Amino acid sequence: ETGVTQTPRHLVMGMTNKKSLKCEQHLGHNAMYWYKQSAKKPLELMFVYNFKEQTENNSVPSRFSPECPNSSHLFLHLHTLQPEDSALYLCASSQDRDRGDTEAFFGQGTRLTVV
Amino acid sequence: QKEVEQNSGPLSVPEGAIASLNCTYSDRGSQSFFWYRQYSGKSPELIMSIYSNGDKEDGRFTAQLNKASQYVSLLIRDSQPSDSATYLCAVNAGGFKTIFGAGTRLFVKA
Repeated sequence: ETGVTQTPRHLVMGMTNKKSLKCEQHLGHNAMYWYKQSAKKPLELMFVYNFKEQTENNSVPSRFSPECPNSSHLFLHLHTLQPEDSALYLCASSQDRDRGDTEAFFGQGTRLTVV
Repeated sequence: QKEVEQNSGPLSVPEGAIASLNCTYSDRGSQSFFWYRQYSGKSPELIMSIYSNGDKEDGRFTAQLNKASQYVSLLIRDSQPSDSATYLCAVNAGGFKTIFGAGTRLFVKA
């Protein structure tokens, strides 16, 4: 295990459903990230939280709503998704000082299918 | 648009050979460079980081960085079938925005 735990591992949801993805890190890191990985495409950074404050929102549609109650937990709330949102959603954490130049450690991901 | 480019592969090498994976990046201000390995159906796993020009060795892995050419590479010596995976190059130019390449698929033939 990497020290970053994501649940659920798999999720199938309809376009009218509301669901949440959960991430928890046990590494004492201060920064947490959501990435989206679609087939044949690079990892796309969605959101970054540093000390539970959002520092990046990479033009993500409002149907994705992040929440970071503390430095160890991160959520991604999903509602009215589209089939093209089907992808692997990865959570990561890092111990960043100011520049974000340290390594990120990933959770196992949630495989999301929107039907 | 900041970009990280990798050849998608697949790169096929025989067992015991050296696998050479390459990556170029567009942002000259980039300071931090990472290589991740991702097995099919799994999440990326960090294998190397490099911050200054030259070579950095860790076991069978060597990362090479040339900032003037905006080029970073990963060499895997004595390649094993268990090295078969997709290798992701990632580049950070400051802040929290690390840009990933699409990855190179490596296949090591036994």
